[in-house]
Amino acid sequence: EAGVAQSPRYKIIEKRQSVAFWCNPISGHATLYWYQQILGQGPKLLIQFQNNGVVDDSQLPKDRFSAERLKGVDSTLKIQPAKLEDSAVYLCASRRITGQQWEQYFGPGTRLTVT
Amino acid sequence: QKEVEQDPGPLSVPEGAIVSLNCTYSNSAFQYFMWYRQYSRKGPELLMYTYSSGNKEDGRFTAQVDKSSKYISLFIRDSQPSDSATYLCAVALYNFNKFYFGSGTKLNVKP
Repeated sequence: EAGVAQSPRYKIIEKRQSVAFWCNPISGHATLYWYQQILGQGPKLLIQFQNNGVVDDSQLPKDRFSAERLKGVDSTLKIQPAKLEDSAVYLCASRRITGQQWEQYFGPGTRLTVT
Repeated sequence: QKEVEQDPGPLSVPEGAIVSLNCTYSNSAFQYFMWYRQYSRKGPELLMYTYSSGNKEDGRFTAQVDKSSKYISLFIRDSQPSDSATYLCAVALYNFNKFYFGSGTKLNVKP
């Protein structure tokens, strides 16, 4: 079973530029998450999708961040315009629930540096 | 107040030691309690989760939840150098709509 794929792995941009990240979850996983992990901190949930609908985006800075999940599969996260404080690793994860059990897998992340 | 607090460490132990990692959380409504392991420059890996209170064991790992004190623990028996990583606790509501991570404890197991 292939894992969660993310691209690019690294990105360096200047402040006020825009950037987009892509995530391909594990096949059959209905739930997709985007997290922001700043160095030395735990991941912070930005947005959660269930199929192609948004379940929780309460911590997404909507004035500059946007996300979509195309046809309930792939997802993109965009930042426009970027700020210095957006420097972080952006993690995508997907989850499947089977009966009483659930499993969740993270991708390798995209490391964003804003200069 | 953060939803979940975790001692950042670092925690350094000799190989074979029993490791205890702990978190406290603030909201009694949380029902799911997770532990993740994160190696440097990798995404987190779900180790185990418990629903409501009690213990869960998986090999050398044991997770405990004490809802009365809002305290969660992960014990690692016979620790190995390969266990050296950052361990993250996380909590979630019953429907998983609110999901919060601790800041992580960095563990170093010395050979």
